[in-house]
Amino acid sequence: DAGITQSPRHKVTETGTPVTLRCHQTENHRYMYWYRQDPGHGLRLIHYSYGVKDTDKGEVSDGYSVSRSKTEDFLLTLESATSSQTSVYFCAISPSSGTGGFYGYTFGSGTRLTVV
Amino acid sequence: AQSVTQLDSQVPVFEEAPVELRCNYSSSVSVYLFWYVQYPNQGLQLLLKYLSGSTLVKGINGFEAEFNKSQTSFHLRKPSVHISDTAEYFCAVSDFELTGGGNKLTFGTGTQLKVEL
Repeated sequence: DAGITQSPRHKVTETGTPVTLRCHQTENHRYMYWYRQDPGHGLRLIHYSYGVKDTDKGEVSDGYSVSRSKTEDFLLTLESATSSQTSVYFCAISPSSGTGGFYGYTFGSGTRLTVV
Repeated sequence: AQSVTQLDSQVPVFEEAPVELRCNYSSSVSVYLFWYVQYPNQGLQLLLKYLSGSTLVKGINGFEAEFNKSQTSFHLRKPSVHISDTAEYFCAVSDFELTGGGNKLTFGTGTQLKVEL
């Protein structure tokens, strides 16, 4: 999607290894989010950021950490990958709400992660 | 806390027939409502949104949705579907209240729309 890229697009890793996924935006949006998508669960929020070095947990944060050292980059780290973390990971961005309200997210194309 | 229920996991329909995908939400405050579409191996694309005002909202590709506050529903409709509408559709809700983390979206589990000839 325009203005937001995720890398890598696909990754296979072994159980117990650390993995880092990157989200890069060129929109200068304040808010960034990491979701995971699993069949039957829709999208669930892992972590989010509301500014440089400002992050917080979502509903499924166990086993994940994040960092945001620059406005444009939001990194998701699986500290020690497990098979239950096999999923498709989406990054999303959102600007600060203006007078018109909240207009939703722009999503990246996703990272398909397989833990073997 | 907000939540979203999409009652149908799969909806098969013939081409040129009408379709309705159902979405119900729960929230203790006023909400913003969204429908996103996901084509195979792609990210999510905004289909339409309800922020305020008219309860009937029109989106891209001929889709529309109606916000019904009394029934806490936001069903998606299209009067005549095309093969290219085959995709997964997600309903999402965000509270009006702006917290430190911005307006966080809560998603339903998705409805797979399969359009057949």
